[in-house]
Amino acid sequence: DGGITQSPKYLFRKEGQNVTLSCEQNLNHDAMYWYRQDPGQGLRLIYYSQIVNDFQKGDIAEGYSVSREKKESFPLTVTSAQKNPTAFYLCASARGLQETQYFGPGTRLLVL
Amino acid sequence: KNEVEQSPQNLTAQEGEFITINCSYSVGISALHWLQQHPGGGIVSLFMLSSGKKKHGRLIATINIQEKHSSLHITASHPRDSAVYICARRGGSQGNLIFGKGTKLSVKP
Repeated sequence: DGGITQSPKYLFRKEGQNVTLSCEQNLNHDAMYWYRQDPGQGLRLIYYSQIVNDFQKGDIAEGYSVSREKKESFPLTVTSAQKNPTAFYLCASARGLQETQYFGPGTRLLVL
Repeated sequence: KNEVEQSPQNLTAQEGEFITINCSYSVGISALHWLQQHPGGGIVSLFMLSSGKKKHGRLIATINIQEKHSSLHITASHPRDSAVYICARRGGSQGNLIFGKGTKLSVKP
């Protein structure tokens, strides 16, 4: 089955710790995105990548980092510099930048 | 101010009712999206519209480009339609979406 997977479903972070959220797709999509969702707010773009080995900052990139070494994978690292990391994180992919986006199931990050 | 505004924020309906969710935006767009988010958090794309109307099953989406307004209609609503419905517009050359805050729909049996 083709689709997007995110892992883990729930992730706990201690103060000062970096954590990495996984996003994998087998749809052969070039474009991939990371969004953050907070209660009462719309999703906001963290980073996006339109092709392997290239990525761009979104609206709220501070405290986050990404890599795109493989077409299928776009991991997001939440660094200790992100002061308010508790949120629901959604990964999406698309054939191209103007195409329909397909979303993963999301990872809920909680700070202990 | 959010560039994409949805109304209402919350909506409760009885099974069988006709439902309308509204979305307005402040700038010209190339495409407007409607998405559905279930309680578990997963998001499904319902429609991508650039003009006119699209229909899929009991769901109908319309857009008026001149008025910068779109509506999502659900006919013969069912409890399984209970979800958050999100409107989003294209954010420019990056292709990212700018999202509304969502409308939480609850359909009672």
